[in-house]
Amino acid sequence: GAGVSQSPSNKVTEKGKDVELRCDPISGHTALYWYRQSLGQGLEFLIYFQGNSAPDKSGLPSDRFSAERTGGSVSTLTIQRTQQEDSAVYLCASSLFPPRGAGEQFFGPGTRLTVL
Amino acid sequence: AQKVTQAQTEISVVEKEDVTLDCVYETRDTTYYLFWYKQPPSGELVFLIRRNSFDEQNEISGRYSWNFQKSTSSFNFTITASQVVDSAVYFCALSEVGGGADGLTFGKGTHLIIQP
Repeated sequence: GAGVSQSPSNKVTEKGKDVELRCDPISGHTALYWYRQSLGQGLEFLIYFQGNSAPDKSGLPSDRFSAERTGGSVSTLTIQRTQQEDSAVYLCASSLFPPRGAGEQFFGPGTRLTVL
Repeated sequence: AQKVTQAQTEISVVEKEDVTLDCVYETRDTTYYLFWYKQPPSGELVFLIRRNSFDEQNEISGRYSWNFQKSTSSFNFTITASQVVDSAVYFCALSEVGGGADGLTFGKGTHLIIQP
């Protein structure tokens, strides 16, 4: 079956521009997660959706970051006024069961964001 | 707060050697899950194993084995008779049931290089 897909796979943008990153979870997975992977910080958890709701947005690095999920499926991570420190690989994952438990998360291939 | 430490940033061995990747975790929760993920050069994180805090039995899957010891807060991963295809970055991760974040807490990863 289809895994988690993300688009675009690569994105190069200029400092100050807005970007949108998209994630399509595995069909039927109610939980969706965004992570950021960078050389300096490793893998950081950003936000989690159960259905269309994100209970806690405190993991987002700044108020330039926002995320939404519609129809309990596709999610979009938006970064406004990008900065060079936003350059990283943004990973999306989904799981059949809610977090804090046994359900393993299945990861997408990531979007590599480069801010010039 | 939860934390995962993978002290070995990079390990290089010759094919067919056995290699152990260390993982030490910190948590105040009594119920938690530990995971190992593999990230090959293609970039996609691949789930390897999950272990809950009440199950200290070691697990073996082919050439892979895992040693979970609560007394030392460790969850080490051993590859027997390593192969070039095992070359990847391996991440250990923690999920607390009672507290902590909704996402996984990852270690910094160990880059494993298997030389032919």
